[in-house]
Amino acid sequence: GENVEQHPSTLSVQEGDSAVIKCTYSDSASNYFPWYKQELGKRPQLIIDIRSNVGEKKDQRIAVTLNKTAKHFSLHITETQPEDSAVYFCAAISDDKIIFGKGTRLHILP
Amino acid sequence: DGGITQSPKYLFRKEGQNVTLSCEQNLNHDAMYWYRQDPGQGLRLIYYSQIVNDFQKGDIAEGYSVSREKKESFPLTVTSAQKNPTAFYLCASSLRGNTIYFGEGSWLTVV
Repeated sequence: GENVEQHPSTLSVQEGDSAVIKCTYSDSASNYFPWYKQELGKRPQLIIDIRSNVGEKKDQRIAVTLNKTAKHFSLHITETQPEDSAVYFCAAISDDKIIFGKGTRLHILP
Repeated sequence: DGGITQSPKYLFRKEGQNVTLSCEQNLNHDAMYWYRQDPGQGLRLIYYSQIVNDFQKGDIAEGYSVSREKKESFPLTVTSAQKNPTAFYLCASSLRGNTIYFGEGSWLTVV
């Protein structure tokens, strides 16, 4: 079946460094790719998204890139801060399906 | 996100008991979903509905049931057939092919 592979499952970076999380999808019909941040005990919340007709989108310290040919998309967080520590989920969405990656636990080290 | 209301936030279930989790949305979304999340794990789809009076099983539907009698409401019943129901349950909704928004979640514990 269709799936989304997300890597790495755990990521530790020094405060101030950059973090990159990558996802690969298999459903060619996917045309919308959101990223969610989930803090402990809370619901996932949308932090950035990208549609298939766009290659890159940036919002302050967060950016998402999409390579539709390779079916890859990535989340980039620059100048990481302690409040960036959380679990991040990617998703690939078509008109009929929503498939989430398994999540990446990001630790920001002091 | 404020447009999806889940209740109760905390619920305790005794062995052999059915419990129902409520989910209401005022976002006029056609699609609604239920996910289960175990500690430290990802999101697993239980059931989803893309239109009133219709719903589909997700990856882990056994031991759960749903109804979709109104566009705004998608309650989830955890039946006694679900042997390990302790988890965090998330309701969500979306317009077709668009952003999925989550409710605040319900914590279910078996006592």
